[in-house]
Amino acid sequence: NAGVMQNPRHLVRRRGQEARLRCSPMKGHSHVYWYRQLPEEGLKFMVYLQKENIIDESGMPKERFSAEFPKEGPSILRIQQVVRGDSAAYFCASSPPGGRPPLNEQFFGPGTRLTVL
Amino acid sequence: GESVGLHLPTLSVQEGDNSIINCAYSNSASDYFIWYKQESGKGPQFIIDIRSNMDKRQGQRVTVLLNKTVKHLSLQIAATQPGDSAVYFCAENKEGAGNMLTFGGGTRLMVKP
Repeated sequence: NAGVMQNPRHLVRRRGQEARLRCSPMKGHSHVYWYRQLPEEGLKFMVYLQKENIIDESGMPKERFSAEFPKEGPSILRIQQVVRGDSAAYFCASSPPGGRPPLNEQFFGPGTRLTVL
Repeated sequence: GESVGLHLPTLSVQEGDNSIINCAYSNSASDYFIWYKQESGKGPQFIIDIRSNMDKRQGQRVTVLLNKTVKHLSLQIAATQPGDSAVYFCAENKEGAGNMLTFGGGTRLMVKP
């Protein structure tokens, strides 16, 4: 019973390039959340998605960042024209359907560590 | 803005002792709280949660206490083991405020053998 999968685990990009981070939720989970964590800090909520819908993107920067969770395939967090300040660990979490999000336990993936040179 | 914060950035305890990690929150309307454990290089791991209609909740070796009067949350770990060494975060949510969890800054727990 695989947990939340994220890939790549480490990603290095130069300034101006694009970064694509992938998240496969646990089997049967239809809610996906993305968080960003800077070194020695807590996680900061970015976006909450259900299949084919963005439910809450109040934590997403207005520019360069986008997220999707298509009907088939993993959720994607896309960062265009990356800058050094985008360097962080990006975590995905998933939870089962039903109930009041985020009260359903969120299971976190191992994260993608993005380094922008 | 509203925030969740911790009193102690680092806590060092002897193996076998009890650990207490504290968290202060400022949003009195928050009604759901969670403690997470994060080991180096890994994602956060759920430990225990509590809703605002409760003062105390116990799990295996862990207890969470909620004091709504002073807006304080604590995590107690009994008989701390080396495997408990990690960073611990509290997080909170308020019904109607969206789906986000607001995380505190974390406390690093170091267990000395």
